[in-house]
Amino acid sequence: EDQVTQSPEALRLQEGESSSLNCSYTVSGLRGLFWYRQDPGKGPEFLFTLYSAGEEKEKERLKATLTKKESFLHITAPKPEDSATYLCAVQLNSGGGADGLTFGKGTHLIIQP
Amino acid sequence: DTAVSQTPKYLVTQMGNDKSIKCEQNLGHDTMYWYKQDSKKFLKIMFSYNNKELIINETVPNRFSPKSPDKAHLNLHINSLELGDSAVYFCASSRTGQGLFFGSGTQLSVL
Repeated sequence: EDQVTQSPEALRLQEGESSSLNCSYTVSGLRGLFWYRQDPGKGPEFLFTLYSAGEEKEKERLKATLTKKESFLHITAPKPEDSATYLCAVQLNSGGGADGLTFGKGTHLIIQP
Repeated sequence: DTAVSQTPKYLVTQMGNDKSIKCEQNLGHDTMYWYKQDSKKFLKIMFSYNNKELIINETVPNRFSPKSPDKAHLNLHINSLELGDSAVYFCASSRTGQGLFFGSGTQLSVL
């Protein structure tokens, strides 16, 4: 069965303290891996798409990387406004539901001033 | 000029009632979705739909039905609401094979 696992479930950092979030996947036929950010009371907000092992994408203090088994979301010198739940999702080559995404359970990130 | 909009934002209703949630996207996308987010914040796909096919997650009760009057709209109808249906429901849209854009969610509370 296809599976997406995120770790840790929750992470508390001091402002400026860099860290990484992990998303491991066991799927057959990965079309793409997606990272989203979700703030309380809002819908997931798209951050990155990664399609092949070795690919990297950056946006401000965030960098996403992909291997054949996992993806990392690196957060460099985070600020309190980076506090959110970060969701990882996979899209399968088979379509997996008309191209729908299968999500992990998320990492709840808190950045303390 | 919200990209994916859904209404209402909050929906409180009694067990056994029938309710609908509306969704509209102005992105010109060809595929729309409904996701359910449970109390543990886990997002699970319910339906995906484009003008060619409707794909239903087999775990979704047949009390739930999507209806699409046109490419820009995908409404969710729920019959005979149960306590366990309480959750946040998200509409989303995408171009085929690309990432999804989500609405802001409808928090459904069944009393």
